[in-house]
Amino acid sequence: DTGVSQDPRHKITKRGQNVTFRCDPISEHNRLYWYRQTLGQGPEFLTYFQNEAQLEKSRLLSDRFSAERPKGSFSTLEIQRTEQGDSAMYLCASSLPGLENTIYFGEGSWLTVV
Amino acid sequence: KQEVTQIPAALSVPEGENLVLNCSFTDSAIYNLQWFRQDPGKGLTSLLLIQSSQREQTSGRLNASLDKSSGRSTLYIAASQPGDSATYLCAVRRTVSDKLIFGTGTRLQVFP
Repeated sequence: DTGVSQDPRHKITKRGQNVTFRCDPISEHNRLYWYRQTLGQGPEFLTYFQNEAQLEKSRLLSDRFSAERPKGSFSTLEIQRTEQGDSAMYLCASSLPGLENTIYFGEGSWLTVV
Repeated sequence: KQEVTQIPAALSVPEGENLVLNCSFTDSAIYNLQWFRQDPGKGLTSLLLIQSSQREQTSGRLNASLDKSSGRSTLYIAASQPGDSATYLCAVRRTVSDKLIFGTGTRLQVFP
């Protein structure tokens, strides 16, 4: 069990550029979640997958954001035409199926848009 | 709409003190509640998970209680240590949607 892995850990990009984050969940965890956290706030839900199916998306996930999990293993979160307001930590998490199970988080990917 | 509140927002205590962190939520229709620890600039580490049918969970010096009907949970830390310094977040998992709703956290500092 290597835990939830996220890459890159830090990304600085210019406004208007596209960025992509990758998440590798704990093996055998078929649920995968993305959250966003800004300084001094708790994480906010963005979207989640069960296997390759994206089951729910938050209204926070504007049309500039897209998440995929093509083979039900790793996931990517892409932000197009980044804005300064996108600066945040993007957290990935995974769990076994079933609401009774613990959700495990990765170390997060810090995004700074300049 | 589910809202989660944590009090106090910040806490500074000397080493060795027992302390209580509070979490309240507005909608009692939760499946479970999870407490997390977050070190500066890092991800979240799960501490305790309490199912809605349970009253409390214990792990080492940590004890979490849940009163679903009143919308409250507490995290008790016994004999605090400087290494406990971190932000503690509570999150509820709703029954209608598989997502966690987080509070804004309690920032704890334990000084020697």
